[in-house]
Amino acid sequence: DAKTTQPNSMESNEEEPVHLPCNHSTISGTDYIHWYRQLPSQGPEYVIHGLTSNVNNRMASLAIAEDRKSSTLILHRATLRDAAVYYCIHSSNTGKLIFGQGTTLQVKP
Amino acid sequence: DAGVIQSPRHEVTEMGQEVTLRCKPISGHNSLFWYRQTMMRGLELLIYFNNNVPIDDSGMPEDRFSAKMPNASFSTLKIQPSEPRDSAVYFCASSLTQNNSPLHFGNGTRLTVT
Repeated sequence: DAKTTQPNSMESNEEEPVHLPCNHSTISGTDYIHWYRQLPSQGPEYVIHGLTSNVNNRMASLAIAEDRKSSTLILHRATLRDAAVYYCIHSSNTGKLIFGQGTTLQVKP
Repeated sequence: DAGVIQSPRHEVTEMGQEVTLRCKPISGHNSLFWYRQTMMRGLELLIYFNNNVPIDDSGMPEDRFSAKMPNASFSTLKIQPSEPRDSAVYFCASSLTQNNSPLHFGNGTRLTVT
């Protein structure tokens, strides 16, 4: 199964940007990079995904390295509601997503 | 849209009893996934369906677990007989197409087997 490496935990201050890193050195040429987050007592929630180019949406930005072996999820202004576990996943076109342990983000007021 | 709907939200049962978890995917979605989450093992994919057909059930832990999708708007995950180690939160998710479309998760069923 596809493996990614993320830090176990990170801290951020409210209103500041957050950069969440992910290594996916075994990614193949057709694998997409997905990010999900899970707030306490809820199911995972889609954040963003991309293939090669950087991506932006209303929730976050995704910066993908040129060799695609790493990516960074960027939250432009962290809020207390962004405290969650963030999962980075790369998948083939089967649609099957295998979740790792993720990064627990704490946001301090 | 109401999103993915799972029932019940909580289930407490005794060891040996049959447990049935239910999921209604988002209308129009043709892929459905069952996941299990525990502190020890994190989120595990149990099985997924495409167009009501099981595609990959390699994550189903053992024969006590079975999943069905009789139509596009309903799926069940059954555990018979249940054991304490089955205690977990079970999530259902659906997506519009199989290839790289976002998964939409339900709020899960918290199962406790005593």
